[in-house]
Amino acid sequence: SQQGEEDPQALSIQEGENATMNCSYKTSINNLQWYRQNSGRGLVHLILIRSNEREKHSGRLRVTLDTSKKSSSLLITASRAADTASYFCATGQPGTYKYIFGTGTRLKVLA
Amino acid sequence: GAVVSQHPSWVICKSGTSVKIECRSLDFQATTMFWYRQFPKQSLMLMATSNEGSKATYEQGVEKDKFLINHASLTLSTLTVTSAHPEDSSFYICSAPLAGWDEKLFFGSGTQLSVL
Repeated sequence: SQQGEEDPQALSIQEGENATMNCSYKTSINNLQWYRQNSGRGLVHLILIRSNEREKHSGRLRVTLDTSKKSSSLLITASRAADTASYFCATGQPGTYKYIFGTGTRLKVLA
Repeated sequence: GAVVSQHPSWVICKSGTSVKIECRSLDFQATTMFWYRQFPKQSLMLMATSNEGSKATYEQGVEKDKFLINHASLTLSTLTVTSAHPEDSSFYICSAPLAGWDEKLFFGSGTQLSVL
């Protein structure tokens, strides 16, 4: 399977703590994106990082990309209860709009 | 921002019937749309790529005759689950890229299909 893997599968933290999720993939990519999904709903785009970038920030989100290791991480700082959701990485396949999704991390932030 | 509308949000049907799910790009044209399937607490599995004006491209293991895809216009793709069976029960999500805008994918809100 080409599907990327994320770890941890599930993460439970206290409000105010930082949450780190990791994504590993198998093929070459043109970009990597992180998405959030609340239970039973569609996905919301969080951040995109291109293959020639190493780090990107957006508000409380920080994403890193290491193409040599074929891995990415998503850091959510100062987490809030409203951050409770599933988070997926998606790798863009070169030459297409096609994306392969990772296995996801279910984050639970306790108030 | 760009909006993708998916309808219906949920559907319950009897085994053997066909169900059609619509995916519309409301404020942009989408020559390509993607259909995904998601089981509870699992990731999205790409089923097929819908191409406006041409045949869909199916991923390995996805039955073309089972999951019919039509992309008749630049704003509408439909997925028809034919002769549905209980094992087809799942969450189906469509997405469309907004060309030229960082290649983000915009997702519909998904359709929960339950086959009795």
